[in-house]
Amino acid sequence: AQKITQTQPGMFVQEKEAVTLDCTYDTSDQSYGLFWYKQPSSGEMIFLIYQGSYDEQNATEGRYSLNFQKARKSANLVISASQLGDSAMYFCAMRPYNNNDMRFGAGTRLTVKP
Amino acid sequence: DTEVTQTPKHLVMGMTNKKSLKCEQHMGHRAMYWYKQKAKKPPELMFVYSYEKLSINESVPSRFSPECPNSSLLNLHLHALQPEDSALYLCASSQDPNADTQYFGPGTRLTVL
Repeated sequence: AQKITQTQPGMFVQEKEAVTLDCTYDTSDQSYGLFWYKQPSSGEMIFLIYQGSYDEQNATEGRYSLNFQKARKSANLVISASQLGDSAMYFCAMRPYNNNDMRFGAGTRLTVKP
Repeated sequence: DTEVTQTPKHLVMGMTNKKSLKCEQHMGHRAMYWYKQKAKKPPELMFVYSYEKLSINESVPSRFSPECPNSSLLNLHLHALQPEDSALYLCASSQDPNADTQYFGPGTRLTVL
């Protein structure tokens, strides 16, 4: 079974600065997908970015990038130029290919300070 | 368009009530999911429907009964719930049952009195 670890319960960042949210995972599967979701206080889980285990390039989506280090089994989320609206809970998740059982980490609460 | 809708947004029910949560997507996705999320915890998978067939049931109590009437709709029927079942219930869908991105609805906040 896979395990996702997010070691930062809470993070603070100054507006307009960059921040890195950590995620490590443990799996015996060779093929899998890694995901980051944002959950504001309203509750909706918003998909941010995806990285496949065979992708050689790090994924990027606008201000979001994923620092994927397969050998270390880490998939850190980098948010550049933080905005006040980025304040939310962020979840890292992993799902093996050919298996629709997605598991989430405990989450990191990000607070952007003006 | 990656919209998944859920109704109602909030639901308060007694332990003897019967209610249903509804989820709808019109993206042509072939897999739909129910998750339960307690406060300050990550979502936990409850049920997965793949091509309208139940494919995963994560040992959920029988007081929760899922139903997939067609590929666009997913229901969760609730009966004789307990106060500890109070949580945010999230619905999600994905194009492909395997490894594709899941898109979530806004959730239903359920309170059981």
